[in-house]
Amino acid sequence: GAGVSQSPRYKVAKRGQDVALRCDPISGHVSLFWYQQALGQGPEFLTYFQNEAQLDKSGLPSDRFFAERPEGSVSTLKIQRTQQEDSAVYLCASSFGGARSYEQYFGPGTRLTVT
Amino acid sequence: AQSVSQHNHHVILSEAASLELGCNYSYGGTVNLFWYVQYPGQHLQLLLKYFSGDPLVKGIKGFEAEFIKSKFSFNLRKPSVQWSDTAEYFCAVNSNFGNEKLTFGTGTRLTIIP
Repeated sequence: GAGVSQSPRYKVAKRGQDVALRCDPISGHVSLFWYQQALGQGPEFLTYFQNEAQLDKSGLPSDRFFAERPEGSVSTLKIQRTQQEDSAVYLCASSFGGARSYEQYFGPGTRLTVT
Repeated sequence: AQSVSQHNHHVILSEAASLELGCNYSYGGTVNLFWYVQYPGQHLQLLLKYFSGDPLVKGIKGFEAEFIKSKFSFNLRKPSVQWSDTAEYFCAVNSNFGNEKLTFGTGTRLTIIP
């Protein structure tokens, strides 16, 4: 079956531009996560949804970052007024939800480069 | 707060050598532990996980890991590596409190020489 998909795969933005990154989770998955992976680092948690409810946004680095999942399936991560330090791979993951031992399935990521 | 340490940043081995990648975590409560792998050009995928029971867990492709609670460790092992094991390996943890979010280590790049 289809896995987690993300679009675009690559995005180049000029400093100050707004960007929107999309995530299509596996159908039926309740939990959805966004992670940020800087070069040479492991993924770092940004935010978490259970269905359409954003239950944890403690990892969002600033108020320029905003995420939504209005119908409990597709999610969008928006970054306003991009800065060079926002350059990273943004990963989306989904899981069945409800148990911390469940596997998170990761998408291929969106590589954002801010020039 | 949780943290995960992977001390080996880049490991180079010959085919058929044995592998052990270190992972230590810092957290006072009950945790679930994971190893994820990212093959070149592919997305992160789960190798194995531990959440209770036998501390020696077996995963895909002949990998195993042992949870040693007293050492806060979850090292990954494979008795005989293959060229196709060349990848980046990430250890991760989540706790039994709060949500399922994962805390990852910085990763270990494994290069297998044919």
